Amino acid sequence: DGGITQSPKYLFRKEGQNVTLSCEQNLNHDAMYWYRQDPGQGLRLIYYSQIVNDFQKGDIAEGYSVSREKKESFPLTVTSAQKNPTAFYLCASSIAEETQYFGPGTRLLVL
Amino acid sequence: GIQVEQSPPDLILQEGANSTLRCNFSDSVNNLQWFHQNPWGQLINLFYIPSGTKQNGRLSATTVATERYSLLYISSSQTTDSGVYFCAVLGYRGTSYGKLTFGQGTILTVHP
Repeated sequence: DGGITQSPKYLFRKEGQNVTLSCEQNLNHDAMYWYRQDPGQGLRLIYYSQIVNDFQKGDIAEGYSVSREKKESFPLTVTSAQKNPTAFYLCASSIAEETQYFGPGTRLLVL
Repeated sequence: GIQVEQSPPDLILQEGANSTLRCNFSDSVNNLQWFHQNPWGQLINLFYIPSGTKQNGRLSATTVATERYSLLYISSSQTTDSGVYFCAVLGYRGTSYGKLTFGQGTILTVHP
């Protein structure tokens, strides 16, 4: 089945640690996105990529990094510079500016 | 950037009731999507509706792009409709171009 997968479902981060969240899609979509959702809030855009080997900062990119080496994959690294990383992270993909489809999300918690 | 406001913030219904959710946006948009977020956090696409009216079963949506609002109608609500409904718009110009901006959501609770 075509779709978007994210792993892990839950992730625990220690102080000062970098962690990487995985996002894979087999929909053959060119564009991929990372969003952050805090409790009771809407989603906010962290980074997006419209083509392989290219990505742009979203509205809240500080403390995060991404790579786009393959069309199918868009991993997000939460660095130690992100002082408040506890949140629900959602990955999405789309064909250009058409409908975005979302993965099941990763919940990141700080120990 | 573009602003998206949803109303009401919370809505409580008895099963079988109808409801209307509203989304206002502050600038021209290239597209508009409605999502339902279930209790496990999964975002489910309901409509891609930059303009006009669409229907899917008990749900329908209307976007009036010239007046910068969209409405989501839920008829004969069921307990499985509970969750958070988000409106999101894709900016047409400036710093909002190409970015999907979400509203704060409407929390819907349907009681049996």
